[in-house]
Amino acid sequence: TQLLEQSPQFLSIQEGENLTVYCNSSSVFSSLQWYRQEPGEGPVLLVTVVTGGEVKKLKRLTFQFGDARKDSSLHITAAQPGDTGLYLCAGADNQFYFGTGTSLTVIP
Amino acid sequence: GAVVSQHPSWVICKSGTSVKIECRSLDFQATTMFWYRQFPKQSLMLMATSNEGSKATYEQGVEKDKFLINHASLTLSTLTVTSAHPEDSSFYICSAQDRGYYEQYFGPGTRLTVT
Repeated sequence: TQLLEQSPQFLSIQEGENLTVYCNSSSVFSSLQWYRQEPGEGPVLLVTVVTGGEVKKLKRLTFQFGDARKDSSLHITAAQPGDTGLYLCAGADNQFYFGTGTSLTVIP
Repeated sequence: GAVVSQHPSWVICKSGTSVKIECRSLDFQATTMFWYRQFPKQSLMLMATSNEGSKATYEQGVEKDKFLINHASLTLSTLTVTSAHPEDSSFYICSAQDRGYYEQYFGPGTRLTVT
């Protein structure tokens, strides 16, 4: 079973702080997705990265795919309470594998 | 685009009864649909993968006779929890994938409570 390990598992920060979430695997993926999920709702796709070394920005969120396509990071600048949620990475080759998840709480 | 609906959003049932959850792709044809189970603040646990017109592939440890999956059309998959017990209480989420695309698009989830 391929495993995508996310760190940290839980994160609680003050509004305005920066943070980085990591998604690591020993396996190579053809693409990697990041999702955010709010309580009681389904995950919402944030971004897909497919090229090693690729960097994508979505407002205050910056996503990077590792050169070897085994890992990824999500950096949030000046976090806001609306960023609170469960962040999930997911790697895809012939199958789809979800990461272990990072629960983020941004305190006003 | 890429909207997936789930119905019902929540359901309470008595132990021993069966519950059906519907998952629909509203604006694309879902060649593959996935069913997940999720516990609070944890990641998604894949239960089964279904392709339109064929039998679902269940993950190890998931009872196929208890969790019946039917992917009858390119826009509809159903999950029936048969003879539900309190330990089946959970958040069930479906997702749909279009042929040739990497991404999965998720429904809003169904909260099942078995009393």
